[in-house]
Amino acid sequence: SAVISQKPSRDICQRGTSLTIQCQVDSQVTMMFWYRQQPGQSLTLIATANQGSEATYESGFVIDKFPISRPNLTFSTLTVSNMSPEDSSIYLCSGARGGGGTQYFGPGTRLTVL
Amino acid sequence: AQSVTQLDSQVPVFEEAPVELRCNYSSSVSVYLFWYVQYPNQGLQLLLKYLSGSTLVKGINGFEAEFNKSQTSFHLRKPSVHISDTAEYFCAVSESSGGSNYKLTFGKGTLLTVNP
Repeated sequence: SAVISQKPSRDICQRGTSLTIQCQVDSQVTMMFWYRQQPGQSLTLIATANQGSEATYESGFVIDKFPISRPNLTFSTLTVSNMSPEDSSIYLCSGARGGGGTQYFGPGTRLTVL
Repeated sequence: AQSVTQLDSQVPVFEEAPVELRCNYSSSVSVYLFWYVQYPNQGLQLLLKYLSGSTLVKGINGFEAEFNKSQTSFHLRKPSVHISDTAEYFCAVSESSGGSNYKLTFGKGTLLTVNP
């Protein structure tokens, strides 16, 4: 399985501020994704992180709110901008390889916005 | 577009009993199927996957699942559960056309609670 790490593991933030989450994957990963898991809910895909170009966002998610970078194959960041309490969630990154594209997930970042 | 329905939001069982967690999917194209487990306060761990070949797939921790194309189902089973199996289980699907489209669609999850 792929090795995926995220930081921070958790944070408590004030309304109106921004938080950047980092994700590091091992070199065998080709694709990276960001998901949100709201309290008691399933996972919802935010975007596909594209190396060296703009991320591909899913319906309901916009770049101004969730800017994503992927400067190289193994590293990506997700910023949650101008936060409100509704942004309190677990944010997870995942990596996929070829041959079925099985996704492996990081441990997640638990965000609480006050 | 695909969708995934996990028919039970909660499944309580006693230790050493068998369990089945149900998953049905809808898709207009061929799919890959996955089961993930999320232990309390942790990320997701891959339990097993169906990509092609044998419809009965075995995963970690004694779990197995059977792909049934005619019923569009991918139910997860374990013959004897342990207290440590208490967790949230997610069924997920992606298109098997490959290329750049490996996006996962998740079900809402089933909370398995194993009681002594």
